[in-house]
Amino acid sequence: LAKTTQPISMDSYEGQEVNITCSHNNIATNDYITWYQQFPSQGPRFIIQGYKTKVTNEVASLFIPADRKSSTLSLPRVSLSDTAVYYCLASLDSGNTPLVFGKGTRLSVIA
Amino acid sequence: DAEITQSPRHKITETGRQVTLACHQTWNHNNMFWYRQDLGHGLRLIHYSYGVQDTNKGEVSDGYSVSRSNTEDLPLTLESAASSQTSVYFCASSARQGDIYGYTFGSGTRLTVV
Repeated sequence: LAKTTQPISMDSYEGQEVNITCSHNNIATNDYITWYQQFPSQGPRFIIQGYKTKVTNEVASLFIPADRKSSTLSLPRVSLSDTAVYYCLASLDSGNTPLVFGKGTRLSVIA
Repeated sequence: DAEITQSPRHKITETGRQVTLACHQTWNHNNMFWYRQDLGHGLRLIHYSYGVQDTNKGEVSDGYSVSRSNTEDLPLTLESAASSQTSVYFCASSARQGDIYGYTFGSGTRLTVV
């Protein structure tokens, strides 16, 4: 599985759009990009998954350029409740290999 | 609603004791996983199972064992608890839902070995 690199931490004010970029230079053809969110004292929660171009759901958008060597998670108009750790993972769509989590990006939203 | 539950939520045990952490899911998922999370290490994979009677070792499996006798349960056993196993333990299950393949995690068990 491709190793992913993302910033250790980010700060943002409430109401701003937050973009968290993840680098995955060695991503394989069969890998998908998946983002998870983890609040303190809780297990990670699936946010969004994509293969290329743009994916949007009710929580976030995921942008993946044509070369797929990076991706960007976009959180529109963050609130204090979006303070969490965000994990970027490259994984096989088939699920035949367990997810390997890095240390994630700690997002702090400030009032 | 389907769910994944872990028990107990908190446990304190003594060094050398055998401890079993329970994980039960009603999603009917074949794939189940155990992770531990420590400050500075993120989540690390302990054991996983792709179905009944199937178990596999993860990155940090030493001192842990699992068994899978049915689809719903994957108990994690610490054979002889050590202080280094003080951690928060998360169980997860996974399956494909439409175009998405994702994990659903339990709320975790905080284990303290004294």
